[in-house]
Amino acid sequence: GAGVSQTPSNKVTEKGKYVELRCDPISGHTALYWYRQSLGQGPEFLIYFQGTGAADDSGLPNDRFFAVRPEGSVSTLKIQRTERGDSAVYLCASSTGASGGRDTQYFGPGTRLTVL
Amino acid sequence: AQKITQTQPGMFVQEKEAVTLDCTYDTSDPSYGLFWYKQPSSGEMIFLIYQGSYDQQNATEGRYSLNFQKARKSANLVISASQLGDSAMYFCAMRESSGGSYIPTFGRGTSLIVHP
Repeated sequence: GAGVSQTPSNKVTEKGKYVELRCDPISGHTALYWYRQSLGQGPEFLIYFQGTGAADDSGLPNDRFFAVRPEGSVSTLKIQRTERGDSAVYLCASSTGASGGRDTQYFGPGTRLTVL
Repeated sequence: AQKITQTQPGMFVQEKEAVTLDCTYDTSDPSYGLFWYKQPSSGEMIFLIYQGSYDQQNATEGRYSLNFQKARKSANLVISASQLGDSAMYFCAMRESSGGSYIPTFGRGTSLIVHP
């Protein structure tokens, strides 16, 4: 079946602009995660959805970052007033949402955001 | 303290040889899961193998096996019969079950280069 998809694959924007990044999870997966990955680092957690609600948004760096998942499927990560430090690869992952540690996340190809 | 430590920033191995990638972790939670992911230059994180803290046997998936030493808090990935396509970044991650949080923490990764 289809995996996690993310659009766009690359986004170049100017400092101060608004951007939206989209994630389409694996069909039937109730859990969805957003991560940010800077060069030479592992993925850094941003926000986690269980269904439509944000179950954990403790990783969002500040109030310029916001994410929604209105119908419990597709999610959009929104960044206002972008800064050069926001440049990174934004990864989305989904999982079945089963309780316990075994619930495996499957990742999309990521969106490379460059803020000039 | 780092929850996941990958001490090898880079590793080199000859094709067809075995290689071990190190991962140590820090947790006081008795129930946790350990994951290994591969990230080729294309950027997508590919799930490789999972080990639960209560699993009696070391996990194996094809050419991948996990050398799980619970008392030492280590979960090293062993790749047997390396192939050129194994060249990639490898990330170790841990997910703790206490507190209802299902957010895994990733290490900084190890770059593996397989040469002919």
